[in-house]
Amino acid sequence: QQQVKQSPQSLIVQKGGISIINCAYENTAFDYFPWYQQFPGKGPALLIAIRPDVSEKKEGRFTISFNKSAKQFSLHIMDSQPGDSATYFCAASTSNYQLIWGAGTKLIIKP
Amino acid sequence: SAVISQKPSRDICQRGTSLTIQCQVDSQVTMMFWYRQQPGQSLTLIATANQGSEATYESGFVIDKFPISRPNLTFSTLTVSNMSPEDSSIYLCSVHAGGASTEAFFGQGTRLTVV
Repeated sequence: QQQVKQSPQSLIVQKGGISIINCAYENTAFDYFPWYQQFPGKGPALLIAIRPDVSEKKEGRFTISFNKSAKQFSLHIMDSQPGDSATYFCAASTSNYQLIWGAGTKLIIKP
Repeated sequence: SAVISQKPSRDICQRGTSLTIQCQVDSQVTMMFWYRQQPGQSLTLIATANQGSEATYESGFVIDKFPISRPNLTFSTLTVSNMSPEDSSIYLCSVHAGGASTEAFFGQGTRLTVV
């Protein structure tokens, strides 16, 4: 009930391509869905987040698509660049601020 | 936003010893979180530390092994006690921004190797 399932585990995309990472959840009490980006040797940093009252949020090349009925959300990285190579985590939380984390996706952008 | 300074950034420790990790935040925060992250893996919450009260530990983590102090609203420590090689991991301190935002900020982590 508390899990957030993330796929794929790893992803290789050509420079300029679209990277897509998917997450699914069960707990309908979740009301905050962030994506975090983590580079080696660093802590995770918030990339973009969405609440369930909207179906899409875009910030620059990064877009979250949210499907409330399917209990799924995804991260799309347009025009992927080598600097986007990192590990991406989806997460979900309720109003208690405790984050439930996905397993992570290691993204490699090939030049 | 919040800037978190975490020390040490890495350490190599002998089996059976203890290590205390410090987390300093540049603003006052109510809740601080300690995570463990195995290399290449996701984050596992160890405990939530509120100032003025006992830390709340997640299943599988106990106070005797991971004692936490929270003396004020900007500082916390996590001690990894009686270490074994299985404790080798990255330990992360995290806080949430104040107000309606629930953005979590992280320190750079402490990479611990137990030999």
